[in-house]
Formats: sequence, C-alpha cells, structure tokens
Amino acid sequence: AQSVTQPDIHITVSEGASLELRCNYSYGATPYLFWYVQSPGQGLQLLLKYFSGDTLVQGIKGFEAEFKRSQSSFNLRKPSVHWSDAAEYFCAVVPLGDYKLSFGAGTTVTVRA
Amino acid sequence: EAQVTQNPRYLITVTGKKLTVTCSQNMNHEYMSWYRQDPGLGLRQIYYSMNVEVTDKGDVPEGYKVSRKEKRNFPLILESPSPNQTSLYFCASSLRAVGYEQYFGPGTRLTVT
Repeated sequence: AQSVTQPDIHITVSEGASLELRCNYSYGATPYLFWYVQSPGQGLQLLLKYFSGDTLVQGIKGFEAEFKRSQSSFNLRKPSVHWSDAAEYFCAVVPLGDYKLSFGAGTTVTVRA
Repeated sequence: EAQVTQNPRYLITVTGKKLTVTCSQNMNHEYMSWYRQDPGLGLRQIYYSMNVEVTDKGDVPEGYKVSRKEKRNFPLILESPSPNQTSLYFCASSLRAVGYEQYFGPGTRLTVT
C-alpha cells in the first residue's frame, strides 16, 4: 500500500545540536515530497519541497533535506537547532499523477536548553 | 496580507446539530482542500476542490460536505456531527493542484459532545 512513514514519534535534542528527522515513502514512482512544520497552536508552514533535480534541497529556517531514491527517503536536517525549532514536523507526498497531499503521522521535536 | 482564514477557530457543539466551518483565501488560488488532524494520524484529507464547482473526495469524506461556489470560499459542512468528528480542522489553498505550495489556515478546533 502507498504510504509515507515517519519512524520517530518524538525526538528530544539539545539547543545547538544537530537534528535529523526521517521520512520514508512507499510509492511506485517518486512522488513530490514536502516537509511542513507546525508550531504549537499554529497552522502548517512549508519548509521545503522536492520535485526533481538536485537531491539536496535547501529550505527556510536553516533546514535542508536529502532525497535518496535507493532508500525511498527524504530526511530533514538542521545543523544547529534553536529553541524556536520546537514543533511538530510533517513529511508529505503527492504521488505522480495525483492531486492529494498525504501526510506522515508527524514527529514532535522538543528542544532542551 | 495573503492568507487563508477559517471561522470559527473554536467550536463546541452537540451531536446532530448542523454546522458550517468557513474557509476563505485572498490569493486567487484555484485549489482548496480540507484536512482533519488527529493525534498519531497526521493530517488526512477530507475533500478538495480543483476549481469553482469542481470538488472531490479525499481520504476521509464520510460525514462531511463541501461546496465551491466562489473561487475564494470553500466551506466545510457537517450535516449531523458525531463525537468521532471531534478534531482539529485545517483549510488549505494553492495556486494549482500540483507543484505549488499549499497555504494553511490557522485551524478550527471542533468538539462534538
């Protein structure tokens, strides 16, 4: 079955440390790939997206993501986390030829001082 | 300011009492969509609209109705709400269906008792 999986429900990271959030997808062809962030009590904001081309994608707020076709993954990274990065992060996909945006279950990031 | 607005932001109602959650965007977007967010499930699409008078079911359409009479508005209607529709609802819009960022509203917290 087609799906998008975020294996980590909750991650705690120290301020200043690096962060990596995992996302795996299961689709016949590489879908369009997105990462969204939801700060507490807020709507969702797009961090970055991948459609084709360079497999390392730069986004807003200092985030980047790497697409790896062989692993069906699109992991999100940030070299140095700030307390304001505490939020819930969602990986999402739009399959080729489709219109529906399907989300993973999300990863909650806690930043400790 | 470019935005997606939803009203109300919070709503507590009783089983069976019809309600409407409004959604409006001021960006002249063609594509609009409704999602519900539940803990551990991420966001799931309820309905989407490719353009005026064109709507289609998402992954969880049961118990919901939508209409798209104007480009800017996409109301979500619950004809007979039930407690399992207690959730956080988000409206989103994008310029086109595919390849464009979806902009999300602030969310509507609905409780059905």
